[in-house]
Amino acid sequence: GAGVSQSPRYKVAKRGQDVALRCDPISGHVSLFWYQQALGQGPEFLTYFQNEAQLDKSGLPSDRFFAERPEGSVSTLKIQRTQQEDSAVYLCASSRLAGGTGELFFGEGSRLTVL
Amino acid sequence: SQQGEEDPQALSIQEGENATMNCSYKTSINNLQWYRQNSGRGLVHLILIRSNEREKHSGRLRVTLDTSKKSSSLLITASRAADTASYFCATDAGSSNTGKLIFGQGTTLQVKP
Repeated sequence: GAGVSQSPRYKVAKRGQDVALRCDPISGHVSLFWYQQALGQGPEFLTYFQNEAQLDKSGLPSDRFFAERPEGSVSTLKIQRTQQEDSAVYLCASSRLAGGTGELFFGEGSRLTVL
Repeated sequence: SQQGEEDPQALSIQEGENATMNCSYKTSINNLQWYRQNSGRGLVHLILIRSNEREKHSGRLRVTLDTSKKSSSLLITASRAADTASYFCATDAGSSNTGKLIFGQGTTLQVKP
């Protein structure tokens, strides 16, 4: 496809379960970002990859959150031992340029509900 | 933490009117971007303005940037019902090599037909 693809679109997890969220960026895009968006709020930065290198993970809220992009393309955001406060929409975005200097292309998001 | 603060939080206008949204930020920037988000969807890029630019146009959109006041405004002229969405400003916080683009809380715009 031509856009950023995220899966699953919706995920319901029981508290304590592990979840994995996938992002397929636009082919050839150097930069990949993960954001967390709570209802009625703006997206909050989680982490940034430049190719396969995770250059900034300062936004990850705890060590239960882990992201990887091993081949510089597809990325996975993993949340271990989910808590209710993890309920949010997780947005992935990619950019042709390095850093935050260019336009970001967003996926539709993965809505996580933790019961 | 949020870098940008949008004002107003919510705006309701009639079709055909102009809509103005404002964004203030705290640190120096290299560029400022505006995004739009329809309910339940991802964000869509509208326009990017660099720190050495003061005004930029794109169709019915007009963006201004005042770096001395650390503020930007987005003007949508001749609004349409399809413009109903949330609008966010985003800044790079002057740190282009880390990729941390920081978003504000957003302005929710409702355009009544």
